[in-house]
Amino acid sequence: GQQVMQIPQYQHVQEGEDFTTYCNSSTTLSNIQWYKQRPGGHPVFLIQLVKSGEVKKQKRLTFQFGEAKKNSSLHITATQTTDVGTYFCAPDSWGKLQFGAGTQVVVTP
Amino acid sequence: DSGVTQTPKHLITATGQRVTLRCSPRSGDLSVYWYQQSLDQGLQFLIQYYNGEERAKGNILERFSAQQFPDLHSELNLSSLELGDSALYFCASSTTSGKENEQFFGPGTRLTVL
Repeated sequence: GQQVMQIPQYQHVQEGEDFTTYCNSSTTLSNIQWYKQRPGGHPVFLIQLVKSGEVKKQKRLTFQFGEAKKNSSLHITATQTTDVGTYFCAPDSWGKLQFGAGTQVVVTP
Repeated sequence: DSGVTQTPKHLITATGQRVTLRCSPRSGDLSVYWYQQSLDQGLQFLIQYYNGEERAKGNILERFSAQQFPDLHSELNLSSLELGDSALYFCASSTTSGKENEQFFGPGTRLTVL
């Protein structure tokens, strides 16, 4: 199946700072979803990107799908303690989500 | 609360045993997915059912099986359990079976095999 690599694996952020996590694939993706999993919780859907070069914003979160549809990124501005958790990208192949390893985000107050 | 329920929350059993995990999808959702999350393997897709029929298979072992019943709830059966089967098992549901569907995850069942 489609394999994606997420970098970085861990991200330590000072509260108020910005950071970006990346999701890279060696193959062209039809679409990609992003999920967030809080510590001890379950994955929660954040967004789906379908079109080449698509950019979607959710408050302080900005999601982007690369022009070649081989990579995606999530940028968080003014990080808050509520942003703690693991962020997964997951290419969607007719309902089969192939989750990346995730970026674990720790926020320091 | 996603609307997806899973029982039991925790399960502790011994090697060689068989267990059944249960999932009730969100009201109106026809698709059910099962995932396994472990530290070494990450979050892995196991199997998908749509309206009672198997739709897609992932990295599911032959010792594992699943089914979706007419009332759309689903069960994941794990047999001849091994230590390595210890993991968090998530069920998710979505409205249809096609692509571009967000999935709603349940709280998970934590399985510990001793």
